[in-house]
Amino acid sequence: KQEVTQIPAALSVPEGENLVLNCSFTDSAIYNLQWFRQDPGKGLTSLLLIQSSQREQTSGRLNASLDKSSGRSTLYIAASQPGDSATYLCAAAYSGAGSYQLTFGKGTKLSVIP
Amino acid sequence: DTGVSQDPRHKITKRGQNVTFRCDPISEHNRLYWYRQTLGQGPEFLTYFQNEAQLEKSRLLSDRFSAERPKGSFSTLEIQRTEQGDSAMYLCASSQSSGMIPYEQYFGPGTRLTVT
Repeated sequence: KQEVTQIPAALSVPEGENLVLNCSFTDSAIYNLQWFRQDPGKGLTSLLLIQSSQREQTSGRLNASLDKSSGRSTLYIAASQPGDSATYLCAAAYSGAGSYQLTFGKGTKLSVIP
Repeated sequence: DTGVSQDPRHKITKRGQNVTFRCDPISEHNRLYWYRQTLGQGPEFLTYFQNEAQLEKSRLLSDRFSAERPKGSFSTLEIQRTEQGDSAMYLCASSQSSGMIPYEQYFGPGTRLTVT
């Protein structure tokens, strides 16, 4: 069974700190991996997509890496701001039966303290 | 383009009633997915469409659930004889694809269902 795990479940940091969120997946035969942000009671906002052939992607203060051999991905957030407070979800896409459905972790709830 | 939209945003219903949700994907996207998310959990896959064809359904999708995507545009998800365990956020996502290979999935704001 394909599983995605995110540790820690919650993280609290002071404003301005750099931080790393971790994601691990059990099956290295992923097609791609997406990181999302979810605000309370809202839908998901896509942050970064890494194809299986890539090692990292960057967007502004965000950098995501992918290591298929170890089954790990990290999301690095530089110079955190209170507006970054949200739940961050990673999701792996597997080819499976052709759906490329996303398998999600439970998320890391980030609180950035002013 | 305004992204993926879902309607209604919130729905409160009594146990045993039928409910229907609508999803309008990004216009050029030919793939459409439905997911369900309960409190404290990540979204779980329910079903997906390639154009108008429903190609895969999760075991989570009991026979009380039915989804359609007529003409390959908007999609509806109907739940018959709702149960309290159906209370969740129902999320729709869409993506483009090149043949059978999809690109990034974009999610709508979700429909929160509460069954009393």
